[in-house]
Amino acid sequence: EPEVTQTPSHQVTQMGQEVILRCVPISNHLYFYWYRQILGQKVEFLVSFYNNEISEKSEIFDDQFSVERPDGSNFTLKIRSTKLEDSAMYFCASSSLLNTGELFFGEGSRLTVL
Amino acid sequence: KQEVTQIPAALSVPEGENLVLNCSFTDSAIYNLQWFRQDPGKGLTSLLLIQSSQREQTSGRLNASLDKSSGRSTLYIAASQPGDSATYLCAGNTDKLIFGTGTRLQVFP
Repeated sequence: EPEVTQTPSHQVTQMGQEVILRCVPISNHLYFYWYRQILGQKVEFLVSFYNNEISEKSEIFDDQFSVERPDGSNFTLKIRSTKLEDSAMYFCASSSLLNTGELFFGEGSRLTVL
Repeated sequence: KQEVTQIPAALSVPEGENLVLNCSFTDSAIYNLQWFRQDPGKGLTSLLLIQSSQREQTSGRLNASLDKSSGRSTLYIAASQPGDSATYLCAGNTDKLIFGTGTRLQVFP
């Protein structure tokens, strides 16, 4: 069964360092998302992406964050200069339909900023 | 702004019981509502998707209902098993998923 895959599963970094989290969405999906979950808190929307551009972003998704689809299969989230409060589980999701489609999530990338 | 609430926050039951998990949302203009399962430290597994035009969806021992007018959805789990132990999340889709805080379920033998 097709699935969303994410790498790395866990990354530890020093504050101020750049981090890139990678995702391979389901192959025929067109809509891509990043969410995050701080330990013990709700899953929060970060950004949606379609047709090589951002469709919507939340207040969390400030200038330190960027997303890219560098080729036909990968979808990346970059944090330019990590802060302690960026420590969270980051989930990638994809969907074949806008708005009415089911979202399929990856296993997540746990980011720990020291 | 969409707010999603889930009650109870935690539930512990003996194996075999039938359960109801509740989800309420403030903005009824949702496209759909999705229920997920999350095991500790793991990703989100989609369980059921109910479109705004539907009243319920079933998958195996799971049945989810949706009442848009009252802003409520329920997840019914029949004949619970220890393997059902996990956190269950609901999420309303306006143009992005807004998640509730989840119900942590423990089913003991």
